[in-house]
Amino acid sequence: LAKTTQPISMDSYEGQEVNITCSHNNIATNDYITWYQQFPSQGPRFIIQGYKTKVTNEVASLFIPADRKSSTLSLPRVSLSDTAVYYCLVTYGNKLVFGAGTILRVKS
Amino acid sequence: EAEVAQSPRYKITEKSQAVAFWCDPISGHATLYWYRQILGQGPELLVQFQDESVVDDSQLPKDRFSAERLKGVDSTLKIQPAELGDSAMYLCASSRDSKTQYFGPGTRLLVL
Repeated sequence: LAKTTQPISMDSYEGQEVNITCSHNNIATNDYITWYQQFPSQGPRFIIQGYKTKVTNEVASLFIPADRKSSTLSLPRVSLSDTAVYYCLVTYGNKLVFGAGTILRVKS
Repeated sequence: EAEVAQSPRYKITEKSQAVAFWCDPISGHATLYWYRQILGQGPELLVQFQDESVVDDSQLPKDRFSAERLKGVDSTLKIQPAELGDSAMYLCASSRDSKTQYFGPGTRLLVL
């Protein structure tokens, strides 16, 4: 059964690095991982996407270990405006499965 | 920056009524998705189109939900009749490569 699992919530302070992990035990060789950010009453916003090892862009990094059973979204130096829900999306073949989301609360 | 457009943004209806949502994907994006997101949960795929063809509608409650993308561009999702449990955010997304999806702002539906 394809399942994407994330922590329910995380707290952090401004300026800290935040790491959010997603578990996807049944991921197959050609499946990839995508992370989205969502604010209340808005659609999810694309953050980063990866297939293996490490991917970095201007806002985040995505770490994927060799067994690919999990992945970690890393947000460097978070600010108050990063308070949002973060979703992991995994493609299991032709099935798209979102995690339930991680509520990130950034405090000053 | 091009965006996915959805309308209406909010819809209130009574149960047993019909409702319809519209989505205009980013120009050139052949793949279009409709999702339902219940408050506090992740989005759940309802239907996926490749151009005008349905790729996956296995999670679409076909007794009351229908979706079409007649010319392979914009799309309409319809619910008839609406039920109380249909209250949710309905999200549309599009993709150029069937890999990276870009979401619209969503339509929040409240069924009374």
